[in-house]
Amino acid sequence: DIQMTQSPSTLSASVGDRVTITCRASQSVSSWLAWYQQKPGKAPKLLIYKASSLESGVPSRFSGSGSGTEFTLTISSLQPDDFATYYCQQYNSYSITFGQGTRLEIK
Amino acid sequence: QVQLVQSGAEVKKPGSSVKVSCKASGGTFSSYAIIWVRQAPGQGLEWMGGIIPIFATANYAQKFQGRVTITADKSTSTAYMELSSLRSEDTAVYYCARETTGRGYSLWGQGTLVTVSS
Repeated sequence: DIQMTQSPSTLSASVGDRVTITCRASQSVSSWLAWYQQKPGKAPKLLIYKASSLESGVPSRFSGSGSGTEFTLTISSLQPDDFATYYCQQYNSYSITFGQGTRLEIK
Repeated sequence: QVQLVQSGAEVKKPGSSVKVSCKASGGTFSSYAIIWVRQAPGQGLEWMGGIIPIFATANYAQKFQGRVTITADKSTSTAYMELSSLRSEDTAVYYCARETTGRGYSLWGQGTLVTVSS
C-alpha cells in the first residue's frame, strides 16, 4: 500500500499569512493527488484534484503543486474561514490512502 | 443537484453487524466510483473500500478484508457498506463519497455515526 505522510501535523498561523502543507507519497502517484478541507462535524470538502487543479467554487488563494512523490498545498493569504484540518489523498492505485491530516490553527 | 444521503445513526453491540446506506439523488450513479471512508473520534480519514456500481466489483482496504462488504443497487442508486464483527474501535462516523472520474471525490454524504457499545 502507498503511504502518505503530511507535514506539519499542526500549523499555527495568522490571518493574512501564506502557509504551505506538504504531502509525501511512499511511491509515485503521478498526479493523482487531491487535497481536502474538513471542519468539525462536517464531511471533507474537495479543494484540489490532480495535484494542481482547483475544484469549482474553491477560492483562488488555494493552490496545489507537485507530482510523483512530493506535493504541496498553499494558501496564499489565510482567511478566518480557512482554519480547519487538511488532508491529502492519493487515488493513483486501486487502493486509496489519506495523509494523517494537518490541523491549521489560529496563532 | 446531485446529493448523497446516508442512513441514520446506529448503536450496535460488540460482535454484531451494521449496514449503512448511501442513496444518490439527482444525477448519474452507476458510472462513478463510490468509496467508504470512516473517521473515529478525533482521528483522521480512513479509506475502507469502494465500488463502481456499473461493474459491481468492490475492492477493500487490507485492514477490513473479510469484515466489510460494499455493494451497490443500480435500480435504486444506493450503495451499501456492511461491517461485521463490530468492536468498540469501530465507533466512528462513516462517510460515502462519489468520484468524478479522475477529479477526486467532490460529492460526500453527510456521514453516519456508528456507536459500538455493550
